Amino acid sequence: QVQLQESGPGLVKPSQTLSLTCTVSGASISSGSYYWSWIRQPAGKGLEWIGHMYTGGSTNYNPSLKSRATISVDTSKNQFSLKLSSVTAADTAVYYCAREEGSLWFGAWGQGTLVTVSS
Amino acid sequence: DIQMTQSPSSLSASVGDRVTITCRASQSISTYLNWYQQKPGKAPKLLIYAASSLQSGVPSRFSGSGSGTDFTLTISSLQPEDFATYYCQQSYSFPRTFGQGTKLEIK
Repeated sequence: QVQLQESGPGLVKPSQTLSLTCTVSGASISSGSYYWSWIRQPAGKGLEWIGHMYTGGSTNYNPSLKSRATISVDTSKNQFSLKLSSVTAADTAVYYCAREEGSLWFGAWGQGTLVTVSS
Repeated sequence: DIQMTQSPSSLSASVGDRVTITCRASQSISTYLNWYQQKPGKAPKLLIYAASSLQSGVPSRFSGSGSGTDFTLTISSLQPEDFATYYCQQSYSFPRTFGQGTKLEIK
């Protein structure tokens, strides 16, 4: 059974870059028709899709992030990562990594990690 | 972007009740519609994919229907563990978008 686990700093200063990693266990990140996604949720609010990457190289991002997001995959470590640049307080949220099946539905999720943007 | 609107935003019900949550898309999305359940402090969990397919391991009291712009999630007989927030999500186009959520509370 696949498991995902987010890791990274819980506190990031405004204007800096948020960096998170998702470690995948129980499955190879490079096998199957899976897309590897990031989703976030501000406290008490709904879910916002950030973007995803296929290990074949294709990516899609939410335009609302104005090109600040970059997702990459490291198949040797079975991990994928999110970088979000020029963060502000509005980027404070719980960040989830997820496995998207065939770019259709999010079938497996990490437990989520809270990132606070504050000086 | 495709806007997903759920109704109601909150709902009070009792154990054993039949409950229906509605999700409406701002344009036709065929059956590219998924439903998730989220409990406080936990990640969302996939319940229904492709509008009506039950995810493995999800109790059969959950069902989904609809196509085009209008979709429903039905819980046939509420159990105590079903009190949570439910989200719909479209996978018809980018960016993927979610409904605002429906919080199901105990009456």
